[in-house]
Formats: sequence, structure tokens, C-alpha cells
Amino acid sequence: SQKIEQNSEALNIQEGKTATLTCNYTNYSPAYLQWYRQDPGRGPVFLLLIRENEKEKRKERLKVTFDTTLKQSLFHITASQPADSATYLCALGPPSYNTDKLIFGTGTRLQVFP
Amino acid sequence: DAGITQSPRHKVTETGTPVTLRCHQTENHRYMYWYRQDPGHGLRLIHYSYGVKDTDKGEVSDGYSVSRSKTEDFLLTLESATSSQTSVYFCAISHPAGGEETQYFGPGTRLLVL
Repeated sequence: SQKIEQNSEALNIQEGKTATLTCNYTNYSPAYLQWYRQDPGRGPVFLLLIRENEKEKRKERLKVTFDTTLKQSLFHITASQPADSATYLCALGPPSYNTDKLIFGTGTRLQVFP
Repeated sequence: DAGITQSPRHKVTETGTPVTLRCHQTENHRYMYWYRQDPGHGLRLIHYSYGVKDTDKGEVSDGYSVSRSKTEDFLLTLESATSSQTSVYFCAISHPAGGEETQYFGPGTRLLVL
């Protein structure tokens, strides 16, 4: 069965540095991949979508890469701020040939300290 | 939260009692979802709906039923609550386009089954 993995350990970084979060998957060929942000006590919020034929996508201080050979996506936050502290979830979209639903990872908690 | 409300936001109940959670949207989106979120498991799909009276099972549907009599409302019922159903429940909506889907989540319902 398909499996999606995110580092369960929290990532602690200093303000101003670049945070890099990893999403790995196996036994799946997603047509796209998404990243969501979740704050404590709230629902996830969509951030970015990257398609299988795209290597990189940027939005303001966010950058996502997608390597279908390595079956991995990297999520970068440059010039990180304490307000970026949250849990970040990756989600796999179904292959283009089927109608499966999104598969969510367990998330990685990011803590940015001043 | 993208025009999605969930009620109640918090509930404490006893084992064996029926519980109904409500999700209401004002976006007129076709798809609605119920997830549960537990530590170490991430978001797991319980049931989803692709239209009025059209529903299907997700990954963890045992012990749950759903109904959708109107576009804007999606109800999740625990017929006889068990302690293993203690969790945070999220409703989500989406309007897939071009084979891609972005989900918008409600604020969540925290359920404790004693």
C-alpha cells in the first residue's frame, strides 16, 4: 500500500534561517502534491500545489520542490519568522488515471525561535 | 475558514451514546469530507460526499455513518460512540477542477468519549 512520511520530530530553527521540511512517499505516483499549514486548534490551510511535471514552485518566501524519481518533496521557508511556527502537512494527489482522494502525511512541527 | 462551520466545537459524551456532528458550508462546493486527526496518524478520511445523497466510504469508516440531504450540510453520526472514537474531527470541502483538488477545512470538533 502507499505510504507517505514526514519527519515526526519537530524542527527547531532560528529566526532568519531557511527551514526545510521533507515529504517522502512510496508505492504511489501522485499527479500532484500539496502543502498545508496547520496551527494549534485549527484546521489545515492550503499553501501550495506542485504538479508531477513541475520541479519547483514558489510563493513569496515559500518554495516547494518535487522529485518524482526520488519520490520526495521539499518545502522551504526562507527568512523564517516566529509567525511561521506551525505544523506543515504534505498531501498526495491521486495519479491522473484514478479518482482516489488526497492522502495526508502526519505533518512536521516547525518552531522558529527569535 | 473558507465559509465552513462545524458544530459542536467541543463535545464530551459517554460510551454507547449516539453523536452527530454537523458541517455547514456557504461555498456551494460539491465535495465534502469528514476526517479524524489523531497523534501519529495524521488526517484519515472517514466518509466523503460528491453530491446530495451521494456518499462513499473512506479509510476508517467503521462505526460512522453520514448523510447529505442538502448541498450545504454534511452530517457525521457515531451510532454508538466508543472511546477509540475520541479524536478531533475535521470537515473539508472542495471543488475539483482539471483533475486537481484543493481542500478547505473547517475549524474542527474535539470529541471526547468517556
